[in-house]
Amino acid sequence: DTAVSQTPKYLVTQMGNDKSIKCEQNLGHDTMYWYKQDSKKFLKIMFSYNNKELIINETVPNRFSPKSPDKAHLNLHINSLELGDSAVYFCASSQPGQVNTVHFGNGTRLTVT
Amino acid sequence: GQQVMQIPQYQHVQEGEDFTTYCNSSTTLSNIQWYKQRPGGHPVFLIQLVKSGEVKKQKRLTFQFGEAKKNSSLHITATQTTDVGTYFCAGPRGFGNEKLTFGTGTRLTIIP
Repeated sequence: DTAVSQTPKYLVTQMGNDKSIKCEQNLGHDTMYWYKQDSKKFLKIMFSYNNKELIINETVPNRFSPKSPDKAHLNLHINSLELGDSAVYFCASSQPGQVNTVHFGNGTRLTVT
Repeated sequence: GQQVMQIPQYQHVQEGEDFTTYCNSSTTLSNIQWYKQRPGGHPVFLIQLVKSGEVKKQKRLTFQFGEAKKNSSLHITATQTTDVGTYFCAGPRGFGNEKLTFGTGTRLTIIP
C-alpha cells in the first residue's frame, strides 16, 4: 500500500491554464506538506498543514492554493500557470514525535509550455 | 532566515571509492535528518541524529552530528552503484518538522 500517493505523476500544460494535483496519505499523520523541487534539485517547502489548518505558507504566489478537506488529503490548485512553475511537486506527511520523519509521495512532474 | 548548505553539490566517484557530503546550518539544530533521493524518485528518510557529537552507522554509511549541532556529515565507504542519488540533510527551524529546511543536496554519481 502506498503511504503517500499523489496524482497525476506527469502534467504537461500550457501557460495560463489552471491545474490541480491531488494528494492522499494513509499513515494517519497530522501534518501534510507540499514541496517544490526545481531543476537543480533544490527542495523548498511551499505549504504545511496540520490537521487541515495552514501553518506554513512560504511566500508562495497566491496563484497556488492548497486545500485540505481532511487531514488525510492535501490538494494543490495552481491558477494561471507560468513557465517558471515547471518543477517536480512533492506531497509529504509527517507525525510530530520523537522521530518525526517526512514521508514523500512519488512526485508530480509539471511541465508548462 | 535559516540556511542549510551542503558541499559538494556534485560528486563523481569510481565504484569502490569513498564519498563524503557535508552539511552546514546557519543556526543550531535540535536534530538533523538525512534523506536519499534516487534518480527519478522521491526523498526517502535514512536517519535522524539528535545528540551533540552523535555518530550512527548503517552498514557502509556513517553519519555524524557536530558538537555545536550546526553541521553534519555522511560518509559512504566503498561506494556501490546502488548508492547513486542525491543526498539531503534536513534540519527543523523550530520544534517539530513543520519547518524542516532541506539542504542544497549532494548528487552522487558512480563510475563503474
